[in-house]
Amino acid sequence: EDQVTQSPEALRLQEGESSSLNCSYTVSGLRGLFWYRQDPGKGPEFLFTLYSAGEEKEKERLKATLTKKESFLHITAPKPEDSATYLCAVRVDAGGTSYGKLTFGQGTILTVHP
Amino acid sequence: NAGVMQNPRHLVRRRGQEARLRCSPMKGHSHVYWYRQLPEEGLKFMVYLQKENIIDESGMPKERFSAEFPKEGPSILRIQQVVRGDSAAYFCASSPPPGGGQYFGPGTRLLVL
Repeated sequence: EDQVTQSPEALRLQEGESSSLNCSYTVSGLRGLFWYRQDPGKGPEFLFTLYSAGEEKEKERLKATLTKKESFLHITAPKPEDSATYLCAVRVDAGGTSYGKLTFGQGTILTVHP
Repeated sequence: NAGVMQNPRHLVRRRGQEARLRCSPMKGHSHVYWYRQLPEEGLKFMVYLQKENIIDESGMPKERFSAEFPKEGPSILRIQQVVRGDSAAYFCASSPPPGGGQYFGPGTRLLVL
């Protein structure tokens, strides 16, 4: 069974204190790893898609990287407005019918204090 | 470009009633996905649809739940004879070809009394 594990469950940072969130996965036939941000009471907001080991993507203070077994979301000099739950998800090749399905991790709750 | 729209945003039903949740995908998107987020749990896939076709319903409970995406109009997730365990946030997402990112709506919060 495909598994996605995120760590830590919760992370508290001071404003400006850089850190990383981890997403490890056990799947066969990875067809994309996705990062989302979710604010309380709202739907997940798409951030990045990574497809192959070694790939990196950046957006403002966020940078996502991918290896064969895990992905990291690096947050540089975070601000209080970066506080949210960050979700990682994978899509796998399951003979075509499950090509659309995303399997999510439990998320990391990030709190950035001013 | 309007995002994914879901309505209602909040829905209260008594046990045994029916719940109908609607989702309008982003303009130009023909693939729709439904996910459920139970309290203290992560997002779980339910069903993947294209216009007039169910592509993957491997995450749908076997009874009481159904989904459709007609040629015209929004996608509908229907829950018959709701029970308290159905209380959750139901999210719809859409995408162009399924190889790209999925864009989520704001969700429908269902509360079953």
